[in-house]
Amino acid sequence: DAKTTQPPSMDCAEGRAANLPCNHSTISGNEYVYWYRQIHSQGPQYIIHGLKNNETNEMASLIITEDRKSSTLILPHATLRDTAVYYCIVRVDGNDMRFGAGTRLTVKP
Amino acid sequence: KAGVTQTPRYLIKTRGQQVTLSCSPISGHRSVSWYQQTPGQGLQFLFEYFSETQRNKGNFPGRFSGRQFSNSRSEMNVSTLELGDSALYLCASRVRGQTQYFGPGTRLLVL
Repeated sequence: DAKTTQPPSMDCAEGRAANLPCNHSTISGNEYVYWYRQIHSQGPQYIIHGLKNNETNEMASLIITEDRKSSTLILPHATLRDTAVYYCIVRVDGNDMRFGAGTRLTVKP
Repeated sequence: KAGVTQTPRYLIKTRGQQVTLSCSPISGHRSVSWYQQTPGQGLQFLFEYFSETQRNKGNFPGRFSGRQFSNSRSEMNVSTLELGDSALYLCASRVRGQTQYFGPGTRLLVL
């Protein structure tokens, strides 16, 4: 599975959109982009995933560039409860999750 | 649908002892994976079980083992505990090939 690069930390003001970037320049055609988050040492929570099209669900939107070398997770209206470590993972369906260090997002009032 | 459950949630053991952790997957999920999370190494994959067979294994010593039962419930065992085994142990389940869902974890402290 391709390696991902994420900034170690980001801040966001409460109520504003949080845009979390992920670089996966070695992604191959059958690899999906997954996002999970982990709040204060709880189990990671699935957020969203996609292959090449942009995706949206009740939690977030996922924007994947046309060349698929990078993506952005968007939390449209961040709340204090969105403070967490966000993991971007690239994998072929069927393979297990290989987590990096993630981005620690802090939402500030 | 109930989520992934793990028992116990917290555990304290001493060096040299062994420990068994349990995971009940989401109903209908036959694939169960285990992960270890430590502050120094982050989240690391231990192994995956599907249909009672280990399908994939991470880079951990043989002291770490697991099994899966016919009802898809899984256990992992760590023998001869070391201080470095103190960690959050996470279980995740899925329909094979699909999204993985994690349990709350078991926090193990080895003294």
